[in-house]
Amino acid sequence: DTEVTQTPKHLVMGMTNKKSLKCEQHMGHRAMYWYKQKAKKPPELMFVYSYEKLSINESVPSRFSPECPNSSLLNLHLHALQPEDSALYLCASSQDVGASSQGEQFFGPGTRLTVL
Amino acid sequence: AQKITQTQPGMFVQEKEAVTLDCTYDTSDPSYGLFWYKQPSSGEMIFLIYQGSYDQQNATEGRYSLNFQKARKSANLVISASQLGDSAMYFCAMREVSGGTSYGKLTFGQGTILTVHP
Repeated sequence: DTEVTQTPKHLVMGMTNKKSLKCEQHMGHRAMYWYKQKAKKPPELMFVYSYEKLSINESVPSRFSPECPNSSLLNLHLHALQPEDSALYLCASSQDVGASSQGEQFFGPGTRLTVL
Repeated sequence: AQKITQTQPGMFVQEKEAVTLDCTYDTSDPSYGLFWYKQPSSGEMIFLIYQGSYDQQNATEGRYSLNFQKARKSANLVISASQLGDSAMYFCAMREVSGGTSYGKLTFGQGTILTVHP
């Protein structure tokens, strides 16, 4: 199984709502990532989890809160978002983040988020 | 300074022809990896091909090959026998490995939109 799944595929939320994005992989990967992508732009790294611990936070506003309940799951909790947060949110996983691995990341289909 | 440069915002190719998508990179790290991803309009990023900095031969995966010129710091993607389904955004990316750890960070170029004409 070489698939990363993400739910929901589409999400519309108001600025006062609380919602969560979910990501799951069953490839035994120990690193998981959240990216934000605006239209026709490259993905921007938000968070990296390595062995279920947060290893990188790219200065993301606190209205985005990541969580890694176990090695297969990654959540992104959303609260009090702004319209400019509307984007495609991509989850990815890789074998690990160490130098010994090739490091290719496998991406999920993404969640298209619209903040009204 | 940009670490990954893709100078072609858009490229057009006729079906069944070959096309080269350019990518240049900048790093002082002797150990690094280069990746190409395809992103169709559906949004999913699809891993295509990988080249390690110490690999002696150019990587190939089916119709995809990577023209790796280390001295020029270029890693161009060649797609042979283009198909209509190849129409998508293509991203070049680099992973630097310094001091034995890389923390998994990929640096992406701005992307090239490829359109395949019938």
